[in-house]
Amino acid sequence: AQTVTQSQPEMSVQEAETVTLSCTYDTSENNYYLFWYKQPPSRQMILVIRQEAYKQQNATENRFSVNFQKAAKSFSLKISDSQLGDTAMYFCAFMISNSGGSNYKLTFGKGTLLTVNP
Amino acid sequence: EAGVAQSPRYKIIEKRQSVAFWCNPISGHATLYWYQQILGQGPKLLIQFQNNGVVDDSQLPKDRFSAERLKGVDSTLKIQPAKLEDSAVYLCASSSVGRIQETQYFGPGTRLLVL
Repeated sequence: AQTVTQSQPEMSVQEAETVTLSCTYDTSENNYYLFWYKQPPSRQMILVIRQEAYKQQNATENRFSVNFQKAAKSFSLKISDSQLGDTAMYFCAFMISNSGGSNYKLTFGKGTLLTVNP
Repeated sequence: EAGVAQSPRYKIIEKRQSVAFWCNPISGHATLYWYQQILGQGPKLLIQFQNNGVVDDSQLPKDRFSAERLKGVDSTLKIQPAKLEDSAVYLCASSSVGRIQETQYFGPGTRLLVL
């Protein structure tokens, strides 16, 4: 079974600073995808960034970037120039397909609550 | 483009009562997911539909939970009878064809409180 661990239940950062959220996962699979989702207070979950395991280059999306270490099974999220709107619960998630090739289940970590302070 | 719609947004019931949640995915999305998010935890997949067929319901408590997706569009998730531990946010998500690289788009969720 796949597991996703987020060891930081809560974090805070000052506006305009940089923060890194940690995520580790456990799997015996070789081909998979990793995701960071953001869930703002009382709002719906949205995708922040994703990484294909077969790609060595780390994914970036504007102020968001990842540090993907496949051998260490680590997938951290770096948020640069933090903004007040970044305040949210951040979930790390993992996806593989089953043998039938049609089951793309997301396995989520418990989340990290990030607060950006003015 | 309209997002994933869910209703109701909030529901309070007593244990042993029944409750139903509704989801309308993004137009054209073939794959629909129901997740359960208990407070302090990440979402857990309950069931996945591809069109109107079930792909994965391995974590659905089938003695009390049921779900259907008639005509491959809207879906309903039902709990009968509800238990205290069913208190959670129920999230619906959809993706266009269910390929591994497709993004899942989430609805706002239904927050259920069982007293």
